[in-house]
Amino acid sequence: EVQLVESGGGLVQPGGSLRLSCAASGFTFTDMWMSWVRQAPGKGLEWVANIKQDGSERYYVDSVKGRFTISRDNAKNSLFLQMNSLRGEDTAVYYCARSQRNSEYHPFDSWGQGTLVTVSS
Amino acid sequence: DIVMTQSPDSLAVSLGERATINCKSSQNLLYSSNNKNYFAWYQQKPGQPPKLLMYWASTRESGVPDRFSGSGSGTDFTLTISSLQPEDVAVYYCQQYYSIPLTFGGGTKVEIK
Repeated sequence: EVQLVESGGGLVQPGGSLRLSCAASGFTFTDMWMSWVRQAPGKGLEWVANIKQDGSERYYVDSVKGRFTISRDNAKNSLFLQMNSLRGEDTAVYYCARSQRNSEYHPFDSWGQGTLVTVSS
Repeated sequence: DIVMTQSPDSLAVSLGERATINCKSSQNLLYSSNNKNYFAWYQQKPGQPPKLLMYWASTRESGVPDRFSGSGSGTDFTLTISSLQPEDVAVYYCQQYYSIPLTFGGGTKVEIK
């Protein structure tokens, strides 16, 4: 069974940093592109970033470029999101999501339960 | 960026009746080399992560009931629930995976009338 378990969310002040983690199991992690998708309270879904199987390609939504960094540790089946210079508009539940096949141009067929990030003073 | 526009924002349908959700893309999502629409539908119930329902516009994900169907091509797509059940109360999102940034529609909330 595919499992994605996020951790690392919490309350942080504007301008602060946070590192999210996603532990993956139940599939061959090194076969899949992985993404972070967020959802602000009561709002819709927004794709944040994704990363290729070997980490050689990474893409971001414009609003987080230069502030967020996606990475992965294939030896530990883990995905990460380093978030710096956080703003109020970054407040959201952050989901770890797996691409359905081995390219970035596929939908997300597995999602974690999410971790809440709240940016507030 | 490709903009995905869903309609309506919400709808209330009687149990057993048909529910129809529309999604329009600002760009063509049909890739000519393989004749596939890079388009998906998700269902999200309160307090849960989204769940993939349909991909390639009309292919049902494993385990999804056959009362759900997807249609459309290019820029206009539809999700139909043929006979609404209580467990179908949720917010439904469309998504394009044709180009990065990957983008979602704003969501359609489906309720029981």
